[in-house]
This record gives sequence, C-alpha cells and structure tokens, in this order.
Amino acid sequence: EAQVTQNPRYLITVTGKKLTVTCSQNMNHEYMSWYRQDPGLGLRQIYYSMNVEVTDKGDVPEGYKVSRKEKRNFPLILESPSPNQTSLYFCASSSGGRRQFFGPGTRLTVL
Amino acid sequence: GQQLNQSPQSMFIQEGEDVSMNCTSSSIFNTWLWYKQDPGEGPVLLIALYKAGELTSNGRLTAQFGITRKDSFLNISASIPSDVGIYFCACLRIQGAQKLVFGQGTRLTINP
Repeated sequence: EAQVTQNPRYLITVTGKKLTVTCSQNMNHEYMSWYRQDPGLGLRQIYYSMNVEVTDKGDVPEGYKVSRKEKRNFPLILESPSPNQTSLYFCASSSGGRRQFFGPGTRLTVL
Repeated sequence: GQQLNQSPQSMFIQEGEDVSMNCTSSSIFNTWLWYKQDPGEGPVLLIALYKAGELTSNGRLTAQFGITRKDSFLNISASIPSDVGIYFCACLRIQGAQKLVFGQGTRLTINP
C-alpha cells in the first residue's frame, strides 16, 4: 500500500531535549516536505527536499533541521525544542509537487 | 508568510444543504488545490486546478480557478455527514515550484 508514515504519532517532551520525528514514503517520490499545523494558521511549510541531499527552507524553518540521506526518508530534527514548537506536524511526499500525499501527523507537546 | 485568505473559517449547516467556500490571494498562482482533512488524519487532495477559468467537478464537489489567478472557490452540493472536516485551499508558488502555501482552513460541521 502506497503511504507516508510518521513516527511517533504523539510525543510529549520537555524544553531543550533533542528529538527526531521520522518520515518515510514507499512511493519512490523525489519531493518530500514538512509542515506544521496550528489553529487559525492552516499548514505552514517548514522544510522541503527536491531529492537526496537537496533541501531548502520553507516559511517557518527556525528551530528545525532536516536531512535527506535516502530517497525514502526525511526526518525532522528539533535540536532544542521550545514550547512554541508545540504543534501538529505533517510530512508529505510527491513525484511532481502538485499532488502531495500526507502522513497521518505527529502531535508534539513541548513542556 | 501566509498569502492565502480562506473564508469562512467555520460553517455550521444542516445535512442536505449546499456549501460554498473561497480563497483569495494578493499574488498570482498557477495551480490551485483543494484538500480535506478528516479528524486525526492528514490532508487528502480533493481537486486540482491548473488553468485560469477552469471549472472541475469531483462527485458532489465543484471547484473553479479564478480568471485572475488570484482566487478559487469550492462548492459541495447536498452535504452528507461524512463531509465533516477541515477544507484547505493551497497554491503552488511560481518561483520555487515545489513550495505549497495553504489557506487557514474552513471547518465544516453538519447537523444531521
């Protein structure tokens, strides 16, 4: 089954404790992206990747890092999480940018 | 920053009613997309529009790409309970073609 998977689905952590949210897709898509969803703001792009080893900032990259060492994986790294990064995070992938397939989401709470 | 203005932000309707929502932008876009997000899930693409003036249907859903390329609307006819969710418009930017920008979303609630 073609899908985008994210782990963990739920995470509660404390300020400053490094964490990684994994994202994997099995559709051989070149393009992957991370978004955060906050009430009243819709989805905002954090980072995106056009292909292996090619990444670029989205609209809200501050406090986040990404890497694209393999085509199928695109982890999101929070080196020192802060409470303003409490949000719902979505990973997405596509083969041409137009039709993006979204993962199920990761709800992160930073205390 | 946020470039799409989506309205209304929420709708409360009776089952069977028609629904209309729209999205406007101060910038020109060459692709408009409409997504639906069910509770606890990620957004799913409903309709994609690629040409100014294009009118596209998907079952009870109809969407149009505005002629000025700065707006789009989505209509849902004869709403049913499974239409409940959040609807987002989104656009692909002309520069940096892989960057999607989203509207704030319209939360649809249906009373049976």
